[in-house]
Amino acid sequence: EPEVTQTPSHQVTQMGQEVILRCVPISNHLYFYWYRQILGQKVEFLVSFYNNEISEKSEIFDDQFSVERPDGSNFTLKIRSTKLEDSAMYFCASSAPSHTDTQYFGPGTRLTVL
Amino acid sequence: DAKTTQPPSMDCAEGRAANLPCNHSTISGNEYVYWYRQIHSQGPQYIIHGLKNNETNEMASLIITEDRKSSTLILPHATLRDTAVYYCIVRASNTGNQFYFGTGTSLTVIP
Repeated sequence: EPEVTQTPSHQVTQMGQEVILRCVPISNHLYFYWYRQILGQKVEFLVSFYNNEISEKSEIFDDQFSVERPDGSNFTLKIRSTKLEDSAMYFCASSAPSHTDTQYFGPGTRLTVL
Repeated sequence: DAKTTQPPSMDCAEGRAANLPCNHSTISGNEYVYWYRQIHSQGPQYIIHGLKNNETNEMASLIITEDRKSSTLILPHATLRDTAVYYCIVRASNTGNQFYFGTGTSLTVIP
């Protein structure tokens, strides 16, 4: 069964450094998403992406964040200058264009900012 | 999107049916009911969704009341691996829109 994959599974970085989190969505999906979950808190939406542009973003997704689909298979989330409060699990999801838009999530990347 | 209310926690004996309720009294006519679960800190896993008819798949059954103001997710024979946080989400079927995850129901399956 096709699934969303994410790399790395765990990323440790120093405050102020740039990180890139990578995702490979399900191959025939056209909509891509990033969510995050700070330890012990809810899963929060960051951004959705379709047709090479952002379709929706939350207030969390500020100028420090960017997304890109650099090729036909990868979808990336870049955090330009990490802060301690960026430490969280980051989940990528994808969905196919359909009337129900079921989103399928990857296993997540645990980002630890020191 | 309509707000949902779920009990914060439930227990279920292994092998028994787990019935997880969800209230969504402000649901609109074009909004679907989705259920996801999250095992420990893994990515949310899709379980099932429905609009107004009851639905069943290999994982679970979804019972939606006739007025659509509440629903119940049924895991017919709970196993220890079903211990997870279960999220009931109500959302219009607009592709590309976000899912709002609440706090869900923490289900513990007891041996």
